[in-house]
Order: sequence, then structure tokens, then C-alpha cells
Amino acid sequence: GENVEQHPSTLSVQEGDSAVIKCTYSDSASNYFPWYKQELGKGPQLIIDIRSNVGEKKDQRIAVTLNKTAKHFSLHITETQPEDSAVYFCAARTDSWGKLQFGAGTQVVVTP
Amino acid sequence: DTAVSQTPKYLVTQMGNDKSIKCEQNLGHDTMYWYKQDSKKFLKIMFSYNNKELIINETVPNRFSPKSPDKAHLNLHINSLELGDSAVYFCASSQEPGGRETQYFGPGTRLLVL
Repeated sequence: GENVEQHPSTLSVQEGDSAVIKCTYSDSASNYFPWYKQELGKGPQLIIDIRSNVGEKKDQRIAVTLNKTAKHFSLHITETQPEDSAVYFCAARTDSWGKLQFGAGTQVVVTP
Repeated sequence: DTAVSQTPKYLVTQMGNDKSIKCEQNLGHDTMYWYKQDSKKFLKIMFSYNNKELIINETVPNRFSPKSPDKAHLNLHINSLELGDSAVYFCASSQEPGGRETQYFGPGTRLLVL
């Protein structure tokens, strides 16, 4: 089955700096890669996703890149703000039933 | 206006008890999921239903039994609760299976087994 590894497990950045989180996946058939943000005491929320036919996608301060050959994808957050502090999860989907395999999460702390 | 709601938000119970968690979505989605998040924040899918039919059934003890009375509701019943069942349980929904649409998560139910 699919295995997703996520690094780093924690990330501290100064406000205004950039944050990068990296994930690798094992199943070359995976075709959909969402990123979720989970704030304390809340459920995960989708912030951006990318499909296997696209190499990069951007939404304001957030961007995701995908390298299918290397089987890795990354989340980039620019101009970080304190409200970006949360746990971020990458995920990969292989099958047609919606089963997402999640990474272990990255705790991002943005200090003013 | 809550899209995916769960009850209860907190559940504290003794080992050996039976408990249920309820989930409702008002998004008109066809597919619903149950996830378990352990103390290390690891998220793992347990079950998925599409139009009341079970489509994903991960390796979960048979003490866990999902039930979908209609496509807007997915409940989770847990028999003979064990200490290791303590976790946060999230319900989610999407327009259709296959994950082509966003999965929307509920706020979670924090289960503590004593």
C-alpha cells in the first residue's frame, strides 16, 4: 500500500520568512496530493491540492510542487504570519475510493 | 451552518463500556469517512461509506461498527472500549468517492477511555 513520509516534524520560523514542508510517497500510481491544515482543537482543513498531471500550483502565499519522477511533493508558505501556526498534513491518494494516506504531520510555529 | 458536525465533542468513559459517536453533514455529499487521530497526531482512515454502502473498511477491530442510516449520517459504535481506543475521531465527507472532491472534516470527538 501507499506510504507517505513527511519532514520535518516541527518547524519554527520567524514571521515574514518562508516555510517548506516535504513529503515523499511510495506508490507511483498515486495521482492526487492534498495538503491539510489543522489548528488546535479543530478538524483538518484543505488548503491546497495538486494532481499528478500538474507540476506546480499556487494560491496566494501557498504553493505546492510535485516531482513525479522522484515521488515527492512540497508545500511552500511565503511571508508567514502567526495565524499560519498549525499542524500541516500532506496526503496521497492511489485508489478510486477516496482513501487518503496521510503523512505524520508538521507542527509549524511562526514567532512574531 | 456547520457543514460536518459530530456529537459528542468530548467522551470520557470506562474500559469495557459501549459508546456511539454521531456524524451529520449538510453538504449534500454522497461519501462519508471515519478517521482516527492518535496521540501523535497521526491520521488514519477507518471506514468510508458511499450512498450508505461501505466502500472502505481498513484493518479495524470488529468492536468498531459504522452505520449509515442515510447518506447524510454516519455513526460509529464502539463495543467493549479499551484504553488504546483513546484518540480523536474525525468524520469527513466528500461529494463522491475517489477523492476528486475535497474531503471536509468535522471538529472531532475526543474519546478518553479510563
